[in-house]
Amino acid sequence: AQTVTQSQPEMSVQEAETVTLSCTYDTSENNYYLFWYKQPPSRQMILVIRQEAYKQQNATENRFSVNFQKAAKSFSLKISDSQLGDTAMYFCAFMKHGVKGAAGGTSYGKLTFGQGTILTVHP
Amino acid sequence: DAGITQSPRHKVTETGTPVTLRCHQTENHRYMYWYRQDPGHGLRLIHYSYGVKDTDKGEVSDGYSVSRSKTEDFLLTLESATSSQTSVYFCAISDSAWSGRYYEQYFGPGTRLTVT
Repeated sequence: AQTVTQSQPEMSVQEAETVTLSCTYDTSENNYYLFWYKQPPSRQMILVIRQEAYKQQNATENRFSVNFQKAAKSFSLKISDSQLGDTAMYFCAFMKHGVKGAAGGTSYGKLTFGQGTILTVHP
Repeated sequence: DAGITQSPRHKVTETGTPVTLRCHQTENHRYMYWYRQDPGHGLRLIHYSYGVKDTDKGEVSDGYSVSRSKTEDFLLTLESATSSQTSVYFCAISDSAWSGRYYEQYFGPGTRLTVT
């Protein structure tokens, strides 16, 4: 079974500054996906960024980037130029890579989440 | 936005009563999931479905059952609600592995359930 750990229950940052959220995971799988989801006060789950484990290059999406260290099983999220709208709960999540065509081999896209980090951006 | 709705959005019920939550999708996606969200635990998978009438247990399935009689609907039932099932419940959908994009999971707006 996979586990995902977010060791920072709460973080805060000033507007326009940079903040990094930490995530570690444990798995025996070699092929998998890692995700960061954002949950604002509206409660809607929003995908922020995705990383495929077989890719060495770190994923980036505008102001959001990750530092993926496969050997260390670490997957941190960096938010640059923080904005008030970034205030939210952030979840790190793990998904086994599905095996297309293999009988009984697919992961069916099941996600394992960390406990979450509440990020507050101050003006 | 993906077409996922959940009903009801809020519910208060008494211990011992049966409760059914509904997830409805208009995306014709094959996979559907039920998660619960609790403080300190993030989201945890309750049950999932990989096709009509094909369901399986997740991490925290005790006390819950599911049914999927058609592609668009996935029902979660608490046969006899307990206070420990007070939570926020999220439905999610994703396309099948054959699509090559099953990793894109879309979430519904959530249902807040309180068991008194």
